[in-house]
Amino acid sequence: KAGVTQTPRYLIKTRGQQVTLSCSPISGHRSVSWYQQTPGQGLQFLFEYFSETQRNKGNFPGRFSGRQFSNSRSEMNVSTLELGDSALYLCASSIDGSQETQYFGPGTRLLVL
Amino acid sequence: AQSVTQPDIHITVSEGASLELRCNYSYGATPYLFWYVQSPGQGLQLLLKYFSGDTLVQGIKGFEAEFKRSQSSFNLRKPSVHWSDAAEYFCAVGAREGANNLFFGTGTRLTVIP
Repeated sequence: KAGVTQTPRYLIKTRGQQVTLSCSPISGHRSVSWYQQTPGQGLQFLFEYFSETQRNKGNFPGRFSGRQFSNSRSEMNVSTLELGDSALYLCASSIDGSQETQYFGPGTRLLVL
Repeated sequence: AQSVTQPDIHITVSEGASLELRCNYSYGATPYLFWYVQSPGQGLQLLLKYFSGDTLVQGIKGFEAEFKRSQSSFNLRKPSVHWSDAAEYFCAVGAREGANNLFFGTGTRLTVIP
């Protein structure tokens, strides 16, 4: 079974731009969570989607948003990019989100200049 | 609120030596506990997890961890470290009910010297 895939793997943007990241979960997994990893803040939870609905949200500003499609693929959008948004964005999938094990993708490394 | 503490930012061990990485958690009940490993520039790979039952859990790559409720700890161990184990290790806690998100520790970077 293929693992979690994320595209693109690397991205360079400038301040003020917006960006969309994509995540395809493991086949059969319906829950997708997003995390931001930075050297200063570590790994922080952004949000979780299940059955096309945002079920849980971390403490991030409204510039960070996401959505999930009927095939469980998820996208994350960041608008009005700031330098501090430079990070590794990790996506994780689990079967149904009921405290099941989360499996992580390789991440998308975003650099904001 | 849940939280995880990994007291050791960086550990250096010799190849073949034993390893123990510390993890302490704060949670109102018995949480789900995980250890993940991350190689440079990569995502997180699950090493092992504790949900319930036997408090000594076995994982991949020869790792094991022991859940100690009285100490709120979930330390990761390996009897003999290999050079390929050099990576960053993250302990995480998840709630048994409610939101399905993980709280991570700050990680421990492991260096293996020949």
